[in-house]
Amino acid sequence: AQRVTQPEKLLSVFKGAPVELKCNYSYSGSPELFWYVQYSRQRLQLLLRHISRESIKGFTADLNKGETSFHLKKPFAQEEDSAMYYCALSDNNAGNMLTFGGGTRLMVKP
Amino acid sequence: GAVVSQHPSWVICKSGTSVKIECRSLDFQATTMFWYRQFPKQSLMLMATSNEGSKATYEQGVEKDKFLINHASLTLSTLTVTSAHPEDSSFYICSARVGWSRDEQYFGPGTRLTVT
Repeated sequence: AQRVTQPEKLLSVFKGAPVELKCNYSYSGSPELFWYVQYSRQRLQLLLRHISRESIKGFTADLNKGETSFHLKKPFAQEEDSAMYYCALSDNNAGNMLTFGGGTRLMVKP
Repeated sequence: GAVVSQHPSWVICKSGTSVKIECRSLDFQATTMFWYRQFPKQSLMLMATSNEGSKATYEQGVEKDKFLINHASLTLSTLTVTSAHPEDSSFYICSARVGWSRDEQYFGPGTRLTVT
């Protein structure tokens, strides 16, 4: 069965510092990985997906199949980046259902 | 575009009663809708996958007779928590997807259920 692990429940950085939110997965097939973000009092929304290979709000994430990781990175954190971040994996063998990691709360201090 | 709504946003009910939560895709037709449950400070756990016009597929450990899901149209899915108990108190979130492929899931704002 697929599994997504986010080892850090809380990550606190100062504004302008680099950010890396870790995500590791286990999946027997060819995974599709996502990062979702939930700002305070807002609904969950897609931040980026690995197949798009794009940068959203300065965030990037590279799928590393050798290390089974999909870490989310941003070179310079902004206060508005403070939110809950969830890594998720899509199971192509089960109707593309999403399996979520436990989430990491990012706090960017001024 | 791609907005998903849920109603109600919060509900308090007495133990033993049933509660219905609606999930609607407002500006698109959703072939598939998903229901998640989120306990405080925990991640989202998929409860069931609902395809329009067919029976929902429940995840292991989720009682299908307790959590009744109806996906009667391409824009509406309902989750009914029957004979609710305090341990059913949680945040219930739905999401909707257009097709069968790797389309994005659009999430509703969630419904907070408190059973007293």
